[in-house]
Amino acid sequence: ETGVTQSPTHLIKTRGQQVTLRCSSQSGHNTVSWYQQALGQGPQFIFQYYREEENGRGNFPPRFSGLQFPNYSSELNVNALELDDSALYLCASSFGLAGGNYEQYFGPGTRLTVT
Amino acid sequence: AQSVTQPDIHITVSEGASLELRCNYSYGATPYLFWYVQSPGQGLQLLLKYFSGDTLVQGIKGFEAEFKRSQSSFNLRKPSVHWSDAAEYFCAVARPADYKLSFGAGTTVTVRA
Repeated sequence: ETGVTQSPTHLIKTRGQQVTLRCSSQSGHNTVSWYQQALGQGPQFIFQYYREEENGRGNFPPRFSGLQFPNYSSELNVNALELDDSALYLCASSFGLAGGNYEQYFGPGTRLTVT
Repeated sequence: AQSVTQPDIHITVSEGASLELRCNYSYGATPYLFWYVQSPGQGLQLLLKYFSGDTLVQGIKGFEAEFKRSQSSFNLRKPSVHWSDAAEYFCAVARPADYKLSFGAGTTVTVRA
């Protein structure tokens, strides 16, 4: 069973640029959630995708957008990068939206630095 | 909106000693409750979870947590800490209606020899 993978591991961008982060969900999972973890803080929910549709969004501006593909992998896109976007971005996959064991499996994250 | 408070930013404990990490939540009903651990450079690993039923839940790595409704708390405990338990620990809550996790700010655990 393959776990959640994320790419790239690290990247450095300049303010105003755009970035795409990728996540491959665990085998059999159809739901992907994205979280932003700033240094010294807990993860903050960005949004969730279920069967290719956005299913809930946290308090993040529209320049944070995402996609989920038919194989349930996902992308997080951030436009017009700001210095405060520097963080660890975590992807988590799960099966379904309710019931089950309600467990989200997290990937190792992508460390984004905006200069 | 639900919120999670972890009052202790940093705890230092001797190897072999007991550990207790505090977590308080604010939510209108009983949420789903979780404890995650994050080692340096790693993602989050689920230690244990509480949905309903027995208020004392057992998790992996010898951890347990107790849900106390009257105190809106879900404290994590381990009777005897190992050096490998040094990590960041996060308490999280979720409404039963959705999968969005709300995390506390975390507690850093340092284990001294």
